[in-house]
Amino acid sequence: SAVISQKPSRDICQRGTSLTIQCQVDSQVTMMFWYRQQPGQSLTLIATANQGSEATYESGFVIDKFPISRPNLTFSTLTVSNMSPEDSSIYLCSVMTSGSRETQYFGPGTRLLVL
Amino acid sequence: AQSVAQPEDQVNVAEGNPLTVKCTYSVSGNPYLFWYVQYPNRGLQFLLKYITGDNLVKGSYGFEAEFNKSQTSFHLKKPSALVSDSALYFCAVRDTMDSSYKLIFGSGTRLLVRP
Repeated sequence: SAVISQKPSRDICQRGTSLTIQCQVDSQVTMMFWYRQQPGQSLTLIATANQGSEATYESGFVIDKFPISRPNLTFSTLTVSNMSPEDSSIYLCSVMTSGSRETQYFGPGTRLLVL
Repeated sequence: AQSVAQPEDQVNVAEGNPLTVKCTYSVSGNPYLFWYVQYPNRGLQFLLKYITGDNLVKGSYGFEAEFNKSQTSFHLKKPSALVSDSALYFCAVRDTMDSSYKLIFGSGTRLLVRP
């Protein structure tokens, strides 16, 4: 498995502002993913972030709203831009390690409340 | 289209009794199947997975799950429930026909184990 940390763990933001969430892994991983868990809901994939290439976004998610960086094999950021109350969610990063045989391991999540 | 169904929003069992949390799936190709658990204010923890091989897979904390291809099911089981098993459980599937490595999650089942 992998040890994954996220910053911040939680935040309260005003509408119209932006928040950047960091995801740090204790080992080099090829594939990193960003998921959203809206209140009382399941998880939905936002995008896949691979080092050295542009992030691949799922239907319903766009780069202008959720820009992603992946500068190296242990780190990624997700920015939630121009926030509205509908963006209040838990944002989780996950990784797939080379030896994990398809398993995705998740970080602790960032709990975001937009007022 | 890929989908996962967890038909029960909540499962209630008494401590020491066996528990089952149901999951059915729909994919185009062969499935990779996963169970995750989420404790309050925590991220997702990986429990177990089915990739190939034996239909009965064993995972963490005494949990097991049985892959049934004909019924397209992957129910989570434990012979003797503990109060500490109370949490939110998610079933997830990856369609091997999909090159994105995306996990599709069910809606989650809340397990409540009473003393």
